[in-house]
Amino acid sequence: QKEVEQNSGPLSVPEGAIASLNCTYSDRGSQSFFWYRQYSGKSPELIMFIYSNGDKEDGRFTAQLNKASQYVSLLIRDSQPSDSATYLCAVGDAGGTSYGKLTFGQGTILTVHP
Amino acid sequence: AAGVIQSPRHLIKEKRETATLKCYPIPRHDTVYWYQQGPGQDPQFLISFYEKMQSDKGSIPDRFSAQQFSDYHSELNMSSLELGDSALYFCASSLGTATGSPLHFGNGTRLTVT
Repeated sequence: QKEVEQNSGPLSVPEGAIASLNCTYSDRGSQSFFWYRQYSGKSPELIMFIYSNGDKEDGRFTAQLNKASQYVSLLIRDSQPSDSATYLCAVGDAGGTSYGKLTFGQGTILTVHP
Repeated sequence: AAGVIQSPRHLIKEKRETATLKCYPIPRHDTVYWYQQGPGQDPQFLISFYEKMQSDKGSIPDRFSAQQFSDYHSELNMSSLELGDSALYFCASSLGTATGSPLHFGNGTRLTVT
């Protein structure tokens, strides 16, 4: 079983709707969680990061973390066609010396249609 | 704002040849990470450096080596290239290695081995 699992896609939502992306992780000691957006052939772009249980909001994006359930999610409000991309959930390594050693999920392809 | 610079953007090599990829981190960032992303795959951590010392190691083949120089730029050296090495190679940088130092990715080098 993959260490970081994302809900299978692709996910298609109409413009203006809320897109909900989910991710679970297996290492209970993980401390840092990231959402990256990646357009085809491009580099991952950091959207949100969250370290504490609860919600973190930034503009149209809200990250939610529940360490007890080992679950992290990303909500995108008022979805726009430009949000169409692959969204990667990444979890920082709990035991290594480098917290930038991220384990990525397989990604969820989001399509926002007009 | 300055970003992570990678060169070259594209590289075509034949089997058994060698390749060198370069990465220039964001100014003042002292930590560099290398990731490999195969077609349709999520990024896989290869290796990282902090203050010119290797800080963590992932799924990097023995045929690959890397180092970080005094100006903090990093080079990934790949020898005896195989067809399976064809991938996008991303470099990312951060300030320090503490929990939650977000990674900023470069635009990647697309390596094609023929």
